[in-house]
Amino acid sequence: EIQMTQSPSNLSASVGDRVTITCRASQSVSWWLAWYQQKPGKAPKLLIYKASSLETGVPSRFSGSGSGTEFTLTITTLQPDDFATYYCQQYNVYPYTFGQGTKLEIK
Amino acid sequence: EVQVVESGGGLVKPGGSLRLSCAASGFPFSSFSMNWVRQAPGKGLEWVSSITSSSSYIYYADSVRGRFTVSRDNAKNSLYLQMNSLRAEDTAVYYCVRGNSGYYDYWGQGTLVTVSS
Repeated sequence: EIQMTQSPSNLSASVGDRVTITCRASQSVSWWLAWYQQKPGKAPKLLIYKASSLETGVPSRFSGSGSGTEFTLTITTLQPDDFATYYCQQYNVYPYTFGQGTKLEIK
Repeated sequence: EVQVVESGGGLVKPGGSLRLSCAASGFPFSSFSMNWVRQAPGKGLEWVSSITSSSSYIYYADSVRGRFTVSRDNAKNSLYLQMNSLRAEDTAVYYCVRGNSGYYDYWGQGTLVTVSS
């Protein structure tokens, strides 16, 4: 099973900041990496797929990069609506595994 | 508009059974793989099971293999999860999710399963 490790687990930032979340895989997942955003009491929402492809309708301040075992999600110019928990997921090989999540909070 | 709507959650005793259903609409259901993902209270996301478009391939997490059975009825645009021998650690919100080339692009609102005596 491929282990996905996100860092940091918690992140405090202010509106207007630029933040980066890292996701590391225990073995290569090529480009098969997705990022999701989840708000309390809601279902996750797809942000990024294939490591760097922006899902339709997702604001361009979200971007993804990386390949192999190291990936990043970057949010430029944080908006109030962006404070949420973010998860990475590899879909290269079953079982498709998620990172433990990064909770982004308002400073 | 793509929609996936789960139903069938509830309170069940340890060792009991429950069948979750997911009704899909707004897309050609028979062309997409479908998935179940769960989230225990206050915890992260856990992939549970996947089934390909024609049911040719089925996958389970080790934690549920042998107890849960996923199936689909393409004529009814529906996905199912039969859960047997339920344990306290199966308590979670269960999401029905559309798979799109591997990633998960549409999620239902979730249905809560509580396993408790």
